[in-house]
Amino acid sequence: NAGVTQTPKFQVLKTGQSMTLQCAQDMNHEYMSWYRQDPGMGLRLIHYSVGAGITDQGEVPNGYNVSRSTTEDFPLRLLSAAPSQTSVYFCASSYVGGDTEAFFGQGTRLTVV
Amino acid sequence: QQQVKQSPQSLIVQKGGISIINCAYENTAFDYFPWYQQFPGKGPALLIAIRPDVSEKKEGRFTISFNKSAKQFSLHIMDSQPGDSATYFCAASRTSTGGFKTIFGAGTRLFVKA
Repeated sequence: NAGVTQTPKFQVLKTGQSMTLQCAQDMNHEYMSWYRQDPGMGLRLIHYSVGAGITDQGEVPNGYNVSRSTTEDFPLRLLSAAPSQTSVYFCASSYVGGDTEAFFGQGTRLTVV
Repeated sequence: QQQVKQSPQSLIVQKGGISIINCAYENTAFDYFPWYQQFPGKGPALLIAIRPDVSEKKEGRFTISFNKSAKQFSLHIMDSQPGDSATYFCAASRTSTGGFKTIFGAGTRLFVKA
């Protein structure tokens, strides 16, 4: 059981470049989300999805796009990377409702130079 | 606007001591309060969680105390061990409306001295 798989683990981008962070889960979870983790800021919600075809913004959505074409996959797109997007990104998934545990991927460490 | 405030930012405890981490929330619509534990290089993992209809939940050495009227909750780690050294996040979410956004506190770095 792979759980939540994020790729890549590390990435260096130049300012203005675009890229997609991949996230896949094999637990048939309806809910998926993306967080960024910065020192002293905790985990801040970027975007989330409660099912295929449904996405919504979190606390810090600017500069990021998402889509959810399948239950399993929830990619995060940076259209024009900025140094302020240097962070560790985590994808999480869970069932919707009830006492439900969120399962996190191992994270992607992104540096924008 | 920080919806979940966590303190302290860092904590050093002697082995065998009690570690206490506090959180406060603002949105009374939150109805699920989990704590996550994160080791370096790993993603957070659920440690223990509580709903506001109970005032305390205990699992092994870990206890959540919940004060609904004060909108505060805390994590107590009894008999703290060096293996407990990690970053701890409190969180809050609203599960009743179909949307399920989990908002995290800023985190507490715990170091347990041997």
